[in-house]
Amino acid sequence: DAGVTQSPTHLIKTRGQQVTLRCSPKSGHDTVSWYQQALGQGPQFIFQYYEEEERQRGNFPDRFSGHQFPNYSSELNVNALLLGDSALYLCASSETGYGGYTFGSGTRLTVV
Amino acid sequence: DQQVKQNSPSLSVQEGRISILNCDYTNSMFDYFLWYKKYPAEGPTFLISISSIKDKNEDGRFTVFLNKSAKHLSLHIVPSQPGDSAVYFCAASEEGGSQGNLIFGKGTKLSVKP
Repeated sequence: DAGVTQSPTHLIKTRGQQVTLRCSPKSGHDTVSWYQQALGQGPQFIFQYYEEEERQRGNFPDRFSGHQFPNYSSELNVNALLLGDSALYLCASSETGYGGYTFGSGTRLTVV
Repeated sequence: DQQVKQNSPSLSVQEGRISILNCDYTNSMFDYFLWYKKYPAEGPTFLISISSIKDKNEDGRFTVFLNKSAKHLSLHIVPSQPGDSAVYFCAASEEGGSQGNLIFGKGTKLSVKP
């Protein structure tokens, strides 16, 4: 049973560009959350998707947007990239009503 | 303003001894607490959790203690093994484990020496 799958694993982008990161949740999970982990920090909540709608959002600007598809997979889009957006982006899935997330291995984004 | 604090960036322990990782929080609305372990190049892996209605939860070598009055929790690993060497994150939620967003601490890097 595959866990949470994220693609790509690594990505280098230039300031001002746009990026799309992808996530396939663990089988049976219907909720997807995205986290940003900067170097030396803990993961920070970006937003959570359930039933194709953004259910909760953390303190991130509108440059960060997302989408959830009918098969529960999800995308994270970041526009107008800044150097400070360089981080590990983690996708986590869960089954609504049950505790604990399953995290993917993340996408390492470097903005130059 | 950090709501979840792990004040020790690193901890070194001898194999077979007890590892104690600490976590403090400021938000009294947190009702669910989790510990995650993270190896390099991998995502965080769920380790153990505790609801605010309990003060202790045990799973094999891992025990989490919660002191609500002190807003403090700790993770005990007994006995520690070299494979336990990883970064440990404390996390908290106001809405249970899967429906709310998790607030993470900065992590504590545990090194278990043979």
